[in-house]
Amino acid sequence: GDSVTQMEGPVTLSEEAFLTINCTYTATGYPSLFWYVQYPGEGLQLLLKATKADDKGSNKGFEATYRKETTSFHLEKGSVQVSDSAVYFCALKGFQKLVFGTGTRLLVSP
Amino acid sequence: DGGITQSPKYLFRKEGQNVTLSCEQNLNHDAMYWYRQDPGQGLRLIYYSQIVNDFQKGDIAEGYSVSREKKESFPLTVTSAQKNPTAFYLCASTGQGGGNQPQHFGDGTRLSIL
Repeated sequence: GDSVTQMEGPVTLSEEAFLTINCTYTATGYPSLFWYVQYPGEGLQLLLKATKADDKGSNKGFEATYRKETTSFHLEKGSVQVSDSAVYFCALKGFQKLVFGTGTRLLVSP
Repeated sequence: DGGITQSPKYLFRKEGQNVTLSCEQNLNHDAMYWYRQDPGQGLRLIYYSQIVNDFQKGDIAEGYSVSREKKESFPLTVTSAQKNPTAFYLCASTGQGGGNQPQHFGDGTRLSIL
């Protein structure tokens, strides 16, 4: 079945460092791919999405490119801020439902 | 503002008790979902509904029940058969548009056992 694999956290960075959170997927067909962010005590918010191969989703300085050849959708940001500290979830849209990775916690220190 | 409202924010359950979590949306979305979140396990799908008066089991439906009598409401009941109910429960909804449409989430209900 469809599945998403994310790198385990926590990822600990200093402010202004470069961020990469790896995400790979297994799916039949050509699913849409998403990154969600969850701040403490809250629900998930859509961060960005890509709907077909080579699409690049971007929002708030975050980017991810849909790579069909490597079945990946890695999240990147050039310069993280303390306010980026949260849990990040990679997800794919399978048949009628989303399939989530286990989440990666990001901790950014001043 | 349009969105999803979950209530209560915190809920406590006694042994043998059923409890109901509320989820209301004013986004005019057709599809609604319930997820359970446990530490280190991501989100797991409990139930989902694509249309009023219809719903399907997700991956971990045992011990839970739902109803979808109105488009805007999708309450989840955690029954006494659910032996490990302590978790963070998230409700979500999606509009029409196929796989391109993201899910919108509520702020969650944290359920604990007394």
